[in-house]
Amino acid sequence: AQSVTQPDIHITVSEGASLELRCNYSYGATPYLFWYVQSPGQGLQLLLKYFSGDTLVQGIKGFEAEFKRSQSSFNLRKPSVHWSDAAEYFCAVRNTGGFKTIFGAGTRLFVKA
Amino acid sequence: EPEVTQTPSHQVTQMGQEVILRCVPISNHLYFYWYRQILGQKVEFLVSFYNNEISEKSEIFDDQFSVERPDGSNFTLKIRSTKLEDSAMYFCASKAQGENSPLHFGNGTRLTVT
Repeated sequence: AQSVTQPDIHITVSEGASLELRCNYSYGATPYLFWYVQSPGQGLQLLLKYFSGDTLVQGIKGFEAEFKRSQSSFNLRKPSVHWSDAAEYFCAVRNTGGFKTIFGAGTRLFVKA
Repeated sequence: EPEVTQTPSHQVTQMGQEVILRCVPISNHLYFYWYRQILGQKVEFLVSFYNNEISEKSEIFDDQFSVERPDGSNFTLKIRSTKLEDSAMYFCASKAQGENSPLHFGNGTRLTVT
């Protein structure tokens, strides 16, 4: 069965520092991969997605993610974090041809001044 | 940019009562979803709906739950007899045609069962 693991429940980084949020998935083939961000009291906003081709994908707000098939990972990165990036980040996976998108447990990002 | 809208933003109900959560998906989208997020927990898939029928549902989506697209624009989730453990944030999402189209989420309805 599909699964998504985000090993870090929460991460604290200093403003201006780099960020990497980890995501591992379990699926037989190459699934569709997504990162979403959720600010308090809000819905989930798509940051970026990967389907095929270039394994480094660019998203909104300066985020990028790299698909590594050998590690079954799709880690989210940002070179310089801003205080407004404090939020909950969810990695998600959908199998090709499927209806259901499954979410990881989320990583809460705290940004300190 | 078109949005998914959900009403109400907050619903309080007593245990055993029926509730209907409403969603207006993006107009040209064809796939519709409900997800649930219990406070502090993960976003859980409930059900997907396509071509006027349920395409997939989770174990959470038991006989107490139903979905409907009554008029071609609204997409509703009904809980027949609410339980305390149904208290959660319920998110509606829609998706365009195309296998690689992402989900677009509404801002959610917070359901509190007392």
